[in-house]
Amino acid sequence: QVQLVESGGGLVKPGGSLRLSCAASGFTFSDFYMSWIRQAPGKGLEWISYIRGSGSSGTIIYYADSVKGRFTISRDNAKNSLFLQMDSLRAEDTAMYYCARDQGGDWPNFDYWGQGTLVTVSS
Amino acid sequence: DIQMTQSPSSLSASIGDRVTITCRASQSISTYLNWYQQKPGKAPKLLIFVVSSLHSGVPSRFSGSGSGTDFTLTISSLQPEDFATYYCQQSYSSPFTFGPGTKVDIK
Repeated sequence: QVQLVESGGGLVKPGGSLRLSCAASGFTFSDFYMSWIRQAPGKGLEWISYIRGSGSSGTIIYYADSVKGRFTISRDNAKNSLFLQMDSLRAEDTAMYYCARDQGGDWPNFDYWGQGTLVTVSS
Repeated sequence: DIQMTQSPSSLSASIGDRVTITCRASQSISTYLNWYQQKPGKAPKLLIFVVSSLHSGVPSRFSGSGSGTDFTLTISSLQPEDFATYYCQQSYSSPFTFGPGTKVDIK
């Protein structure tokens, strides 16, 4: 069955960095586009990044304005893994971070989600 | 960016009630509108994609309709497992924004 397992969250000081990982199994990872979506404590869902393609040339990547220039999405299809490099972290980046699979097509909808990994940015 | 709004922000309903949630986009998104259900402490689950297509395993009491800027999610007969927060999400253009959510709780 499809599984997405995030890791890499934790407590970090403002201005610091973290790298989140998402291990995929149960499907052909290279065939699917992927996204990161976050949820601040007690708040709604915020889509933050999307990667379409293999991760090499021809790959299309999108970011929300709130993370553009600070976060970098990438993937390693050989390792069935999705990543989110988060730099220059701010208190407002505190959230549960989910990876999610786009079930297909040019108009993303997220049919499987991981359980999330919590990122806390605080001094 | 396309802004998504939902109404109501919360509602109280009884088992067996028909429940309707509205989602509005700040500009036309054609039919690129999806709905998710989230229960406390859990990841969201896809219910409906492209307005009215039910995701695998989703009960037929859930349905969606609309086009352009106005969309609805309907639960025809509310069941105990349906008490949750519901989010719409547009997939017309990046950023793929979510609505603020509608919390459905027990009357």
